[in-house]
Amino acid sequence: GQQVMQIPQYQHVQEGEDFTTYCNSSTTLSNIQWYKQRPGGHPVFLIQLVKSGEVKKQKRLTFQFGEAKKNSSLHITATQTTDVGTYFCAGTGAGNNRKLIWGLGTSLGVNP
Amino acid sequence: DVKVTQSSRYLVKRTGEKVFLECVQDMDHENMFWYRQDPGLGLRLIYFSYDVKMKEKGDIPEGYSVSREKKERFSLILESASTNQTSMYLCASSFTRAGTEAFFGQGTRLTVV
Repeated sequence: GQQVMQIPQYQHVQEGEDFTTYCNSSTTLSNIQWYKQRPGGHPVFLIQLVKSGEVKKQKRLTFQFGEAKKNSSLHITATQTTDVGTYFCAGTGAGNNRKLIWGLGTSLGVNP
Repeated sequence: DVKVTQSSRYLVKRTGEKVFLECVQDMDHENMFWYRQDPGLGLRLIYFSYDVKMKEKGDIPEGYSVSREKKERFSLILESASTNQTSMYLCASSFTRAGTEAFFGQGTRLTVV
């Protein structure tokens, strides 16, 4: 079946360092979404990418969708302690717009 | 603001009990989902529903059933709770049109003893 692999599983950085998490799908995706889950919280939607090669920015966060629509990345510039949490990617397979296929998430720790 | 509300934040049940987890959303979403979340395993889909009285199995439906009698409410039922069902349960909802975001409830931490 369709799978979305996400790496790394964990990463700890010093505050001010950059951070990147990557998602790779076994099949072409219609779109990909990114969510953030703070410790003790629930996943919260960050952004959606739809177009091949799309790049979107939200302040220090940069999201990319690959040309083949099979991979995506989230890059955080100059991390802050408020960035701590688990970042999930979730894609919709072609022809199925109801169910999201989730990566396992990348847990980010930031040392002040 | 979209609200997805789960009936309990924490729940402790005994092995063999029948357990009901309730979820209500106020945005008229067609799709509703039940996930369980365990450390290192991410979000695993148990069941989802795309319309009233409609349901589809997700990736791990064994030991669970669901009910959707009204559009805004989606219930997860553990027919006979077991200790391996101790987990965080998350409900989510979304519109049907392609690529719309999922809104999550606050989660129910279920402990089966």
